[in-house]
Amino acid sequence: AQKVTQTQTSISVMEKTTVTMDCVYETQDSSYFLFWYKQTASGEIVFLIRQDSYKKENATVGHYSLNFQKPKSSIGLIITATQIEDSAVYFCAMRDNYAQGLTFGLGTRVSVFP
Amino acid sequence: GPKVLQIPSHQIIDMGQMVTLNCDPVSNHLYFYWYKQILGQQMEFLVNFYNGKVMEKSKLFKDQFSVERPDGSYFTLKIQPTALEDSAVYFCASSLEGGPYEQYFGPGTRLTVL
Repeated sequence: AQKVTQTQTSISVMEKTTVTMDCVYETQDSSYFLFWYKQTASGEIVFLIRQDSYKKENATVGHYSLNFQKPKSSIGLIITATQIEDSAVYFCAMRDNYAQGLTFGLGTRVSVFP
Repeated sequence: GPKVLQIPSHQIIDMGQMVTLNCDPVSNHLYFYWYKQILGQQMEFLVNFYNGKVMEKSKLFKDQFSVERPDGSYFTLKIQPTALEDSAVYFCASSLEGGPYEQYFGPGTRLTVL
């Protein structure tokens, strides 16, 4: 069975700074996919970025990047140059090569202040 | 990004009644999903649907639940009969294919069972 753990409940940062969120996962499978989503105040869930387990390079999309440490089963999300609108709950999720459904963590609430 | 629509946004019903939640997935997507999120908890996978069939379901997908997508119309989740513990936000998602393809989520339907 898969498990995703996000230990940080909430993080507060100043605008234009960098925020880092942790996520560790458990899986029996050697091939899997890791995702980060954010849920805005309105409830909208937005896909941000993906990391495939077989890729060594950390994924980067816009001002989102990942810190993938496979030996530690860790996939951290880094947001640089944060903006007020980055305030949201960030969810880490995974699925393996056989399952279609995503397993989500509990989420980390990020508040960006001016 | 691609948009998934859900109707209605909020539904209130009495315990024991039937309810149908509707999802309009991204037009060229082939895989469809339902997830359940109880307030303050993580999102949990219910079911995956492809090519007219349930491909995968979790233990949360009780016998009272059913899904279908007749003739390429709405992808629906039906609960009959409803129970108090079915109160939650139900998110529909779709993806172009299975595997590593990211899932795009709708805005959710808040179901309140009285």
